[in-house]
Amino acid sequence: QSALTQPPSASGSPGQSVTISCTGTSSDVGGYNYVSWYQQHPGKAPKLMIYEVSKRPSGVPDRFSGSKSGNTASLTVSGLQAEDEADYYCNSFARSNNVVFGGGTKMTVL
Amino acid sequence: QMQLQESGPGLVRPSETLSLTCTVSGGSISSYYWSWIRQPPGKGLEWIGYSHYSGTTSCNPSLKSRVTISIDTSKNQFSLKLSSVTAADTAIYYCARDKHWPPRGDMDVWGKGTTVTVSS
Repeated sequence: QSALTQPPSASGSPGQSVTISCTGTSSDVGGYNYVSWYQQHPGKAPKLMIYEVSKRPSGVPDRFSGSKSGNTASLTVSGLQAEDEADYYCNSFARSNNVVFGGGTKMTVL
Repeated sequence: QMQLQESGPGLVRPSETLSLTCTVSGGSISSYYWSWIRQPPGKGLEWIGYSHYSGTTSCNPSLKSRVTISIDTSKNQFSLKLSSVTAADTAIYYCARDKHWPPRGDMDVWGKGTTVTVSS
C-alpha cells in the first residue's frame, strides 16, 4: 500500500481559512468513509481531530471540518489561530483491513 | 480517563528483536482494539498494526513478516515485537486505542511515545 498524498506545507494568516488535501485511491480514501485527521505539535503525540471523514471528537473546535470527494479528502481550518500551527496527518482505512497514513502537512500561521 | 504508557529498551542492536509494551490504565483492555504507530525522526506517521484480545490482528503489509502484536489481559498490557531490525526501524513508537470496533484508523487515545534507536 502507498502512503496517501498530502501537500508538504500550507499557510494562512490569523482568521483566514486553510484547506489541506489528502489524495488516495479507490482502495482506501475513495472506497470507504473512514478518513481521519490528526494534529501533531512538536514533541507531542498526534491528536485525533476528525474521524469518519467529517465527524469531530468531543472537545475539538468546530473550526475544524472535514469532507471528501472521490479519492480526495480535505481538512479545513476556519478562523485560523496561532495554536493551529502544527503538522497535520490524514489516514484512511484501506482494503484488507489495513490503515494508511498521509505524508503530513506542516501548517504555518503567518 | 484512559491513559497509555509505552515502555521498553531505547537502544536495540541491528538484527535483534525490538520489544515494547503499552500499559493501559483507566479502563479495560478487553473493550477495544489497540494499535502501534511509529514515526522516524523528522518524518511522518506509519501504521504498524492492531490487535484485539480475541486474537484478531492486522499488520502493515510492508512489516507483516517481522511484526507480532499481542495482548495480556491479566496485566492490561499489549506488546509489539519487531524482528530483524535495521537502522530504518529507528523511530518514536506510539501505542494507541482504536475508537471503533473493528478499527477504521481513528485512534482517539495515544501514549506519549517512546524513542527506539537501532545501532550497534
